[in-house]
Amino acid sequence: QKEVEQNSGPLSVPEGAIASLNCTYSDRGSQSFFWYRQYSGKSPELIMFIYSNGDKEDGRFTAQLNKASQYVSLLIRDSQPSDSATYLCAVAPGGGGSNYKLTFGKGTLLTVNP
Amino acid sequence: DAGVTQSPTHLIKTRGQQVTLRCSPKSGHDTVSWYQQALGQGPQFIFQYYEEEERQRGNFPDRFSGHQFPNYSSELNVNALLLGDSALYLCASSFSTSQYFGPGTRLTVL
Repeated sequence: QKEVEQNSGPLSVPEGAIASLNCTYSDRGSQSFFWYRQYSGKSPELIMFIYSNGDKEDGRFTAQLNKASQYVSLLIRDSQPSDSATYLCAVAPGGGGSNYKLTFGKGTLLTVNP
Repeated sequence: DAGVTQSPTHLIKTRGQQVTLRCSPKSGHDTVSWYQQALGQGPQFIFQYYEEEERQRGNFPDRFSGHQFPNYSSELNVNALLLGDSALYLCASSFSTSQYFGPGTRLTVL
């Protein structure tokens, strides 16, 4: 069973702090990694994707991938109350992501306190 | 440019009934995937359609079936509904890169 594991949280950080969200996966053949944000009662919204080892930055968000450790993380700098949501980690077996099934973790609930 | 759309928004059915959910992909997207998200869980892959064919399927019973039309829109059909089928059903569309989700259909089975 290919699994994606995330701490369910809640992870609570003060406004302006860095939030660190972590994810591990069991399938070494995974090639594509995605972070989605899901507000309560809404559908998942794509934040970032990463394919290569290392860091990828987009505004306040940084995704980090370590394939050797089968670990992917999302850092949110200068956290805002509007970042309060569940963050879903997803992995795919191939590159690109569109042609493959996504396997999701259960998500981590992030709360940013004003 | 419209994103992924789904209908209906909410649906209430009773056990044993059948339901059809609909999805229109984002303009330019040719691949549609369906996911089921139970409360407190991550989305679970049901199946994916490309060029009107089911390309991949997750661990869901044959009660779950689908279709893709020439305009790339898609339907998800669930027969003989069970209480456990109550969930948010998500459609995701894609073209060569990432998958983008529609707003979902909330199905409640009584």
